[in-house]
Amino acid sequence: AQSVTQLDSHVSVSEGTPVLLRCNYSSSYSPSLFWYVQHPNKGLQLLLKYTSAATLVKGINGFEAEFKKSETSFHLTKPSAHMSDAAEYFCVVSYFSGNTPLVFGKGTRLSVIA
Amino acid sequence: SAVISQKPSRDICQRGTSLTIQCQVDSQVTMMFWYRQQPGQSLTLIATANQGSEATYESGFVIDKFPISRPNLTFSTLTVSNMSPEDSSIYLCSVRAGDTQYFGPGTRLTVL
Repeated sequence: AQSVTQLDSHVSVSEGTPVLLRCNYSSSYSPSLFWYVQHPNKGLQLLLKYTSAATLVKGINGFEAEFKKSETSFHLTKPSAHMSDAAEYFCVVSYFSGNTPLVFGKGTRLSVIA
Repeated sequence: SAVISQKPSRDICQRGTSLTIQCQVDSQVTMMFWYRQQPGQSLTLIATANQGSEATYESGFVIDKFPISRPNLTFSTLTVSNMSPEDSSIYLCSVRAGDTQYFGPGTRLTVL
């Protein structure tokens, strides 16, 4: 069975410093992986996705993630945090085969300190 | 891509009543999904709704409590029946387009 683990429930960084949100997945097959962001009282927005193309994926707002099959990881990074990055981030895995649903991580809350 | 709208955006309801949430997509899609996000939690899939067939419910969710309609390829409704305070959550509609899944803005439900 597929699963995804977000290693930190809460990450706090200072504005202008790097962001690292960690995600590990378990899979017997090649998955599709996604990062979604949810700002307070807002819906889910797709940040970026990996679907078996380039292993380094660039997303919106300066975020990127690297798919590392050997480590079964898909960590989200950003070189310099901005106050507007404060939100909940979800790592998601899917196979998109048949009716296989998405599997969500528990989420990581990112706080950015001025 | 797909743009999804939901109605209502939020509601406050009395226990024992029912609320129907509408989901409209700007393009025709085969697969639509309904999720629940309880306070401070991640998303949990309630059911998958394909046009022309009965919805498929995940473990812990039943049709009597969460009936779903899917009359065409751009629209679906989810009803939360006989509500209790434990049903207070955000309910999100989602669709799959190509290799990406998109989410609506959610309906924030509070049950008193």
